[in-house]
Amino acid sequence: QVQLVESGGGVVQPGRSLRLSCAASGFSFSKYAMHWVRQAPGKGLEWVAVMPNDETTSHYIDSVKGRFTISRDNSRNTLYLQMNSLRTEDTAVYFCARDLRYYFDSWGQGTQVTVSS
Amino acid sequence: EIVLTQSPATLSLSPGESATLSCRASQSLGNYLAWYQQRPGQAPRLLIYDVSNRATGTPARFSGSGSGTDFTLTISNLEPEDFAVYYCQQRTNWALTFGGGTKVEIK
Repeated sequence: QVQLVESGGGVVQPGRSLRLSCAASGFSFSKYAMHWVRQAPGKGLEWVAVMPNDETTSHYIDSVKGRFTISRDNSRNTLYLQMNSLRTEDTAVYFCARDLRYYFDSWGQGTQVTVSS
Repeated sequence: EIVLTQSPATLSLSPGESATLSCRASQSLGNYLAWYQQRPGQAPRLLIYDVSNRATGTPARFSGSGSGTDFTLTISNLEPEDFAVYYCQQRTNWALTFGGGTKVEIK
């Protein structure tokens, strides 16, 4: 069955960097676009970024453009999110999700990112 | 950016009753809207896509309807496991956006 396992979260100071990973299994990873979606404490869902299966044009929410970079390694079945210049407002649980025509049909359990001094 | 407004924020119902959740978009979405369920401490789960198509494993008591800017998720005969938060999501424009959520709680 489809499995997505995020890792790499933690506590980091404002302005620092963190790289999240999402290990995929149970499906042909290279055939699917993949997304990152986040959820701040007690808040709703916020889409962050998408990487197409062929690594062409990625898209980002405006608030992370220039700071976050989504990438993937199809040989390792892994999705990444490089987060630089982190801000307190980036504090959230970060989920990776598989694409179904720009909906999200499978989700990982998430990894917590806390940005705090 | 397309804004999705969900109402009500909270719905208090008893098991066996029906729930009607609304999602209104700031511009037309055509037939491109999804609904997700999120239980406490869990990841969201896709329930409905393209307004009315049930995702794999979604029980038949969940149904979606609407078009353009007004959409509805109906849950018939609420089961205990249906008490959760529900989000709508649009895919018409970048950025992909979600509504603020409706919490269905036990009365």
